[in-house]
Amino acid sequence: DAGVTQSPTHLIKTRGQQVTLRCSPKSGHDTVSWYQQALGQGPQFIFQYYEEEERQRGNFPDRFSGHQFPNYSSELNVNALWLGDSALYLCASSLVARDTEAFFGQGTRLTVV
Amino acid sequence: TQLLEQSPQFLSIQEGENLTVYCNSSSVFSSLQWYRQEPGEGPVLLVTVVTGGEVKKLKRLTFQFGDARKDSSLHITAAQPGDTGLYLCAGARFGGGSEKLVFGKGTKLTVNP
Repeated sequence: DAGVTQSPTHLIKTRGQQVTLRCSPKSGHDTVSWYQQALGQGPQFIFQYYEEEERQRGNFPDRFSGHQFPNYSSELNVNALWLGDSALYLCASSLVARDTEAFFGQGTRLTVV
Repeated sequence: TQLLEQSPQFLSIQEGENLTVYCNSSSVFSSLQWYRQEPGEGPVLLVTVVTGGEVKKLKRLTFQFGDARKDSSLHITAAQPGDTGLYLCAGARFGGGSEKLVFGKGTKLTVNP
């Protein structure tokens, strides 16, 4: 049973560029959440997708957008990259329910130069 | 504003010692989860506590959820070098029809042989 998979694992981009990160949820899961983890910090919630719609959003600018596909996989897009966007981007999948448990992928390490 | 405060931030101990990590908040959570994260990897779920006052044991790890569901602790008995890692607590908050996780900054534990 494959867990949460993310691609790519590492990425280097230049300021001003755009990036797309991808996530396949754990088998049977229908909800995907994205988190940004800066160095030395805990993960910060970006947004959550269920039934191909954004259900909740954290305190991130509109440069951060996402999408969920019918097969529950998801993409995170970041436009006009800043140096401060350099971080580990984590995808977590779960089942839509209260007190649900989230399973994380290994993350995508994004470096903006 | 960090809704979940973890302490200590860093902990370096010798093999065989006991330790306790604390996770405190002024907010009430529907559940609280503890994760362990290795460098360059995503967080791995250790346990979920749901009921105020709940205590869960996982081998040498003991997790407790405060009576008011605002705080939690993780106690490790006879720590081993394999316990080294970043321990994260995360509170589940329900809003907008779904849950999101609010993370603390983590406790970086090093167990020296």
